[in-house]
Parts: sequence; structure tokens; C-alpha cells
Amino acid sequence: KQEVTQIPAALSVPEGENLVLNCSFTDSAIYNLQWFRQDPGKGLTSLLLIQSSQREQTSGRLNASLDKSSGRSTLYIAASQPGDSATYLCAVIGNTPLVFGKGTRLSVIA
Amino acid sequence: GAVVSQHPSWVICKSGTSVKIECRSLDFQATTMFWYRQFPKQSLMLMATSNEGSKATYEQGVEKDKFLINHASLTLSTLTVTSAHPEDSSFYICSARVSVGELFFGEGSRLTVL
Repeated sequence: KQEVTQIPAALSVPEGENLVLNCSFTDSAIYNLQWFRQDPGKGLTSLLLIQSSQREQTSGRLNASLDKSSGRSTLYIAASQPGDSATYLCAVIGNTPLVFGKGTRLSVIA
Repeated sequence: GAVVSQHPSWVICKSGTSVKIECRSLDFQATTMFWYRQFPKQSLMLMATSNEGSKATYEQGVEKDKFLINHASLTLSTLTVTSAHPEDSSFYICSARVSVGELFFGEGSRLTVL
């Protein structure tokens, strides 16, 4: 059974810092891994999708990496801004039903 | 990116009534749609997976007679919460995808059962 763990559960940083969010999964037989952000009371916004054959994806200040063999993905956020404050979720897409991590609640303090 | 529209965004109903939530893919055809439930400060829990034209596959612990899912077309899936009770109050989110590609999520529907 696929299990997805996100560390840390919560993170508070001053504006301008670079930060890394971690996602680990137990079954490496995945198709894709996707990172989302969720604002309070809202749905999910897709940030980055990494295909299983890829090692990283970049979008603006965001960079996501994937290491299937070790079952890990990281989301790197450069020069954090207060508007980045949200919960970040990773989801593993494979043969088994979609599995989400519990998320990392990020607070960027101005 | 693709757009998934969910309606209504919030609904309040009396205990014992049924509530229908719609999920539409606006600019693409979704072979698979998923329904999730999220309690406050919790992650999303997959309730069921529906493929167009076939019966939904429910996750363990989710009552299929309680949460009716219909995926009548490639752009529309509905979730009906039947005989709703206060414990059904939650945030329900749908997502859609083509094949094993990227997931696109609706904005969610907040259900409050009085």
C-alpha cells in the first residue's frame, strides 16, 4: 500500500528565504508525482507535475525534483513571499488509488 | 491549465435531505474523475474513482449508497449525498484527468448539514 509522507508538517520562514519541502513515498512504481498548493477553504492548484521518467520540473520560483529509486521528491521555493503562504500537498499517481501526503503548512512572514 | 468547475461552492441543508454536487471539466474530456473529502486541517481522502459510463469504484469505508456518483459523460460527474446528516458536513473536492496525466481540481464544495 502506497504511503506518502510530507515533512515538515508546518514551516514558518521570514520573507525572502529559500526553502525546501519534502515528500517521500513507499512504492516507487508511480506514473507521476504532482505538487499542489491549497489555500484555506479552497480547492487545489496544481504547481508542478513530474513524470516518472523526469528528474525535475521548474516553474518560476518553484523547482520540484523526483528520485524514484529512493522514493523522494522535494519542492524548492526560492525567495519566498507572503503570498506563498498556503498548504502544499504532494500526490503520487500510480496503479493504486491516488495518494496524498498530509501537506506542509507554510507561513511566510513579511 | 485545464479548468474543472464545481457547483455549488457551498450549500447548507437540513438533516435528512439529499444534496447533489456537480463537477465539470470545461475544456477537456476527462476519462476519470475523482471525489475527495477533506475535514478541517486534514488532507484529502479519496472517496471514489469514476470512469465515464461505468460504475464508480469506492474506497474502503465509503458507503456507496450514501454517496451516489454518476459519471454520465466525459465532462460531468455528480456526487449526491443522500439523507445527509451533520457528520457528512465537510469539504468535497473533485478532480479530473485524462488517462494518467495531470490532475485538475475543482474549487471544492463546502457542505453544512444542520
